Amino acid sequence: NAGVMQNPRHLVRRRGQEARLRCSPMKGHSHVYWYRQLPEEGLKFMVYLQKENIIDESGMPKERFSAEFPKEGPSILRIQQVVRGDSAAYFCASSPEASDTQYFGPGTRLTVL
Amino acid sequence: GDSVTQMEGPVTLSEEAFLTINCTYTATGYPSLFWYVQYPGEGLQLLLKATKADDKGSNKGFEATYRKETTSFHLEKGSVQVSDSAVYFCALSHLGGYNKLIFGAGTRLAVHP
Repeated sequence: NAGVMQNPRHLVRRRGQEARLRCSPMKGHSHVYWYRQLPEEGLKFMVYLQKENIIDESGMPKERFSAEFPKEGPSILRIQQVVRGDSAAYFCASSPEASDTQYFGPGTRLTVL
Repeated sequence: GDSVTQMEGPVTLSEEAFLTINCTYTATGYPSLFWYVQYPGEGLQLLLKATKADDKGSNKGFEATYRKETTSFHLEKGSVQVSDSAVYFCALSHLGGYNKLIFGAGTRLAVHP
């Protein structure tokens, strides 16, 4: 049973470009969470999605950031017009329904030049 | 709001030494409590968890007890190994809060031979 998959593992963007991060949850998991880890800090919650629905986006910046989890395919975290402060590791985690245990992917490390 | 406070690192120990990493929390109700471990360049792995007061979580020689009276969940291990060198994160979640994890800042542990 494959774990949570994220790609790319490393992403370099110039200021003003778009970053698109993908997360494939574990098989049978319909809940996805995105977290951001700034250098030398803990993880901060960004958004929680179920298939085709955003349930809680209270940790997501109001501008430039969006997330989706379509019926088919991976969950996508999209950052438009990236700035240097967006440089961080972005982790997604998945869980089966009605469970409080989340399983993390290896993360995408975004560097904005 | 809910929060988690961990002892600052780095913690440097010799192999076979006793480990304690302190964690306290502030939360309404009865959260679930977790310890996650992050090895260099990797995602987070669940180390152990406890879901109610006085529960003890344990795994790989690590253990932590959910103490509601002191709002603490300290991580302990009787004899650390070099391979335990990593960053350890304490976290909490609420079922009513969609189970999103609230993390402490992390504590880096370095074990030398």
